[in-house]
Amino acid sequence: DGGITQSPKYLFRKEGQNVTLSCEQNLNHDAMYWYRQDPGQGLRLIYYSQIVNDFQKGDIAEGYSVSREKKESFPLTVTSAQKNPTAFYLCASSLDRGIEAFFGQGTRLTVV
Amino acid sequence: GNSVTQMEGPVTLSEEAFLTINCTYTATGYPSLFWYVQYPGEGLQLLLKATKADDKGSNKGFEATYRKETTSFHLEKGSVQVSDSAVYFCATNFGNEKLTFGTGTRLTIIP
Repeated sequence: DGGITQSPKYLFRKEGQNVTLSCEQNLNHDAMYWYRQDPGQGLRLIYYSQIVNDFQKGDIAEGYSVSREKKESFPLTVTSAQKNPTAFYLCASSLDRGIEAFFGQGTRLTVV
Repeated sequence: GNSVTQMEGPVTLSEEAFLTINCTYTATGYPSLFWYVQYPGEGLQLLLKATKADDKGSNKGFEATYRKETTSFHLEKGSVQVSDSAVYFCATNFGNEKLTFGTGTRLTIIP
């Protein structure tokens, strides 16, 4: 079945460490997105990519980095520069920018 | 600037009650409009969409009509069930740009 796979579902990180969240899609979608969700809040866009080897900062890119070396993969690295990384991270993809997006199941990151 | 404003929650209803969750947008163009639903601990699922004025999106008993004159896309359901308890997000793409989401409305249905 086609879809978006995020891994791991739960992730614990010590302060000062970088951590990479995986996002893979087999929908052949060009556009991919990373969102952050905090309790009781909406979704905030971190980064998005419309084609391979190209990506743009979203509204809250500081402390995060991404790569898009393959069409199906869009990993997100949460660096030690991110001051408050504990959150629920959602990856999404769409056939083209602005068209409805399909979401993965999310990764809950906790800094301990 | 462009924005989406969504009815604040939480909303608590009894089973079989009528549901309305308000959503309005501001945009210079003619965006597509979406409603997404998020169940606890999961990602978002597309519930319904409308791409032009007067379109009605519908799915699982939920409906929303694209009202250009009032720049609104309110979500409605005639008779809610306990299984409808979730967080609902209104979203728009403001004319083929990236999706922008409202803040979400938590809905709880009590038996």
